[in-house]
Amino acid sequence: GNSVTQMEGPVTLSEEAFLTINCTYTATGYPSLFWYVQYPGEGLQLLLKATKADDKGSNKGFEATYRKETTSFHLEKGSVQVSDSAVYFCALSGNTGGFKTIFGAGTRLFVKA
Amino acid sequence: NAGVMQNPRHLVRRRGQEARLRCSPMKGHSHVYWYRQLPEEGLKFMVYLQKENIIDESGMPKERFSAEFPKEGPSILRIQQVVRGDSAAYFCASSSKNVLTFGAGSRLTVL
Repeated sequence: GNSVTQMEGPVTLSEEAFLTINCTYTATGYPSLFWYVQYPGEGLQLLLKATKADDKGSNKGFEATYRKETTSFHLEKGSVQVSDSAVYFCALSGNTGGFKTIFGAGTRLFVKA
Repeated sequence: NAGVMQNPRHLVRRRGQEARLRCSPMKGHSHVYWYRQLPEEGLKFMVYLQKENIIDESGMPKERFSAEFPKEGPSILRIQQVVRGDSAAYFCASSSKNVLTFGAGSRLTVL
């Protein structure tokens, strides 16, 4: 079945550092890939998405590229801010049988001033 | 557009009681998903519903848990005879195409 594996956290960075959170997936067919972010006490919010190979999703300085050859969708940001502290979830959704979305375990990011 | 509305936000139950969690999807969305998040863990899919139909319940425990999404009114996740292990945050989401919009969650604590 479909699955998502992402790097364990927590990840602790200083402000303005470079961020990478690794994500790999297993899926049949051609899934859509997502990063969601969860701030304390809140539900998840869509951060970015990519629907086909080589697509790059981007939002708020975050980027991720859909790499079919390595089945990866790593999240990157060039310069993190304290306000980026949150839990980040990589996810995939198949394109058949509804839009059930499978999530990775989440990676907690702490950014220090 | 009020987004996905979940209530109650916090619910405390004693072992053996019933918990009912409600979810109203975004206006115009007819698909509802329920997920469970245990402390320091990711989201686990429970069930996917359309109006009056359960499409996929592969993540639902076989006993004590049920879900419905009636023609009128919110979707309801029902947990009978709760146990301490049911303590978690339960998130509802609705979808337009394949992007999920989440509610703020209902946090169940079983004493």
